[in-house]
Amino acid sequence: DTGVSQNPRHKITKRGQNVTFRCDPISEHNRLYWYRQTLGQGPEFLTYFQNEAQLEKSRLLSDRFSAERPKGSFSTLEIQRTEQGDSAMYLCASSLEWSQWTEAFFGQGTRLTVV
Amino acid sequence: AQTVTQSQPEMSVQEAETVTLSCTYDTSESDYYLFWYKQPPSRQMILVIRQEAYKQQNATENRFSVNFQKAAKSFSLKISDSQLGDAAMYFCAYRSARETGTYKYIFGTGTRLKVLA
Repeated sequence: DTGVSQNPRHKITKRGQNVTFRCDPISEHNRLYWYRQTLGQGPEFLTYFQNEAQLEKSRLLSDRFSAERPKGSFSTLEIQRTEQGDSAMYLCASSLEWSQWTEAFFGQGTRLTVV
Repeated sequence: AQTVTQSQPEMSVQEAETVTLSCTYDTSESDYYLFWYKQPPSRQMILVIRQEAYKQQNATENRFSVNFQKAAKSFSLKISDSQLGDAAMYFCAYRSARETGTYKYIFGTGTRLKVLA
């Protein structure tokens, strides 16, 4: 395991359906982040975990969005009753607390298209 | 709340030339980290360079260097001897270093760099 893994890479769904994305962080990393990125924009923060605790959620995050990180390992991001405005790239990143290397390592993202 | 601003949506540079990408940020904190990330068309973001705010010396990584001006809240990226593989979106990012602070990374809107052969 040399990087952050996200599945699926692409998801097309009909409006109103629920979708779930998975992120597997780098194994020893205890912080995990979810971001959303639309075309031509920078990543927008959604939420982050330290181990299994969800420490912060964006105020922009609709209650249709929920994230979990059971046992502090992989994480899932669920979007209920999807809307066309949810179409975006969803990025996961992980980092290691107390590491001298404070940067976040990103996965390749899950591209969601809501039709 | 902290903000990061990248005022150059797009930049072009001739191969082998030097280009500077601008980034300014706003914060009331004194201790933080700044990063430049590169996002090639495959869309996986990778770290280019980072700077700790408490260090006065500008960070350097091979052809990449930064000009960190803490008082001016400016953090520019200089790419020397530009290569075709440098073409990508570049994002400036901020993260608090305080234990009681938030550890989320705050990104700018990005600068698309084109490298001309």
